[in-house]
Amino acid sequence: EIVLTQSPATLSLSPGERATLSCRASQSVSSYLAWYQQKPGQAPRLLIYDASNRATGIPARFSGSGSGTDFTLTISSLEPEDFAVYYCQQRINWPLITFGQGTRLEIK
Amino acid sequence: EVQLVESGGGLIQPGGSLRLSCAASGFTVSSNYMSWVRQAPGKGLEWVSVIYAGGNTYYADSVKGRFTISRDNSKNTLYVQMNSLRAEDTAVYYCASNQNYDYGGMDVWGQGTTVTVSS
Repeated sequence: EIVLTQSPATLSLSPGERATLSCRASQSVSSYLAWYQQKPGQAPRLLIYDASNRATGIPARFSGSGSGTDFTLTISSLEPEDFAVYYCQQRINWPLITFGQGTRLEIK
Repeated sequence: EVQLVESGGGLIQPGGSLRLSCAASGFTVSSNYMSWVRQAPGKGLEWVSVIYAGGNTYYADSVKGRFTISRDNSKNTLYVQMNSLRAEDTAVYYCASNQNYDYGGMDVWGQGTTVTVSS
């Protein structure tokens, strides 16, 4: 099973700052990585698919990069509504997908 | 509007059975990959099962042999039959669909239904 490790576990930033979230895979997942945002009491929302493609309706301040084993989700300038938990997910051995353990982005 | 609505969750004793439903609107469940994903209290996301448009089904090792995913095309509804339930199956269960990005990601989600396995 491919293990995804997200870091940091918690990131404390202020609105307007830049956020950089990391996801590392235990083996190469090529570019088959997605990012989701989840707010308390809500279902996850797809942000990025195939490492760097924004899903429909996702603001341009969200961007994804990386390939192989190292991936990054960047939020260029944090808005109050961006404080949430973020998960990465790999699909290299679809349909046996796995998620990372999540990064909590909190207001400093 | 594309929407998924889960139901059927509740409190069940260990060893018991429960069937969750996920009613779709705005699209047909038979034309997309449809998945169940769960989230234990305070924990991350765990993929549970998927059914392909063609009917193939796949399961996480943690539920294989105990859970069965299915769909009723006439009702446009996805199901998961959960047998031999364990405490570790306690979670919010979400149904999700790959609508627009093929294998790329699950872009339509229901609101979730809570399953609690406890005596």
